[in-house]
Amino acid sequence: GEDVEQSLFLSVREGDSSVINCTYTDSSSTYLYWYKQEPGAGLQLLTYIFSNMDMKQDQRLTVLLNKKDKHLSLRIADTQTGDSAIYFCAEGYSSASKIIFGSGTRLSIRP
Amino acid sequence: DTEVTQTPKHLVMGMTNKKSLKCEQHMGHRAMYWYKQKAKKPPELMFVYSYEKLSINESVPSRFSPECPNSSLLNLHLHALQPEDSALYLCASSQDEAKGVVKYFGPGTRLTVL
Repeated sequence: GEDVEQSLFLSVREGDSSVINCTYTDSSSTYLYWYKQEPGAGLQLLTYIFSNMDMKQDQRLTVLLNKKDKHLSLRIADTQTGDSAIYFCAEGYSSASKIIFGSGTRLSIRP
Repeated sequence: DTEVTQTPKHLVMGMTNKKSLKCEQHMGHRAMYWYKQKAKKPPELMFVYSYEKLSINESVPSRFSPECPNSSLLNLHLHALQPEDSALYLCASSQDEAKGVVKYFGPGTRLTVL
């Protein structure tokens, strides 16, 4: 079946790097997404990677994809208090209707 | 303009009320979506509209009635809801249903059913 798993919590010191991990089971997905959700807000698309790519970098964000292990990670460099949120990993397909979300990782920043 | 707007931001309603949630986008997207998100859970797909026609209904109870009056607007009509329907309702849009690279989400309407 299709399943996306993430750890529920991550605590990081301000200024350090955060690494949020995700594993998935369906290798037929076309895209892999990272969404950010701040308290009481909707989902913000942070970045995405095509399933035939290994890495994507966008300013403080680095996405790594290990297709063999079906493992996706999001690294946030120089983590700031504004990065506190829930981060959802998701698998996407050629049909936009189908998107499988993970349960979300709550990132908290300590001073 | 890469924005999906939703109104109202918050809504409290009784089980006998009728209310509507509204969603709007001006990105020229032809696919629009309603999701329901319970606390501490990921969003769950409810409905998909493609070119103003209902494309997918994920077995949602009939007390939720979607409507797409034109390519920029999506409504969700609510009637005789139950307390367990309390959730964050998210609208999203994408270029079209078959080109699924980027899906933009609105900020949501937080619904409380008393």
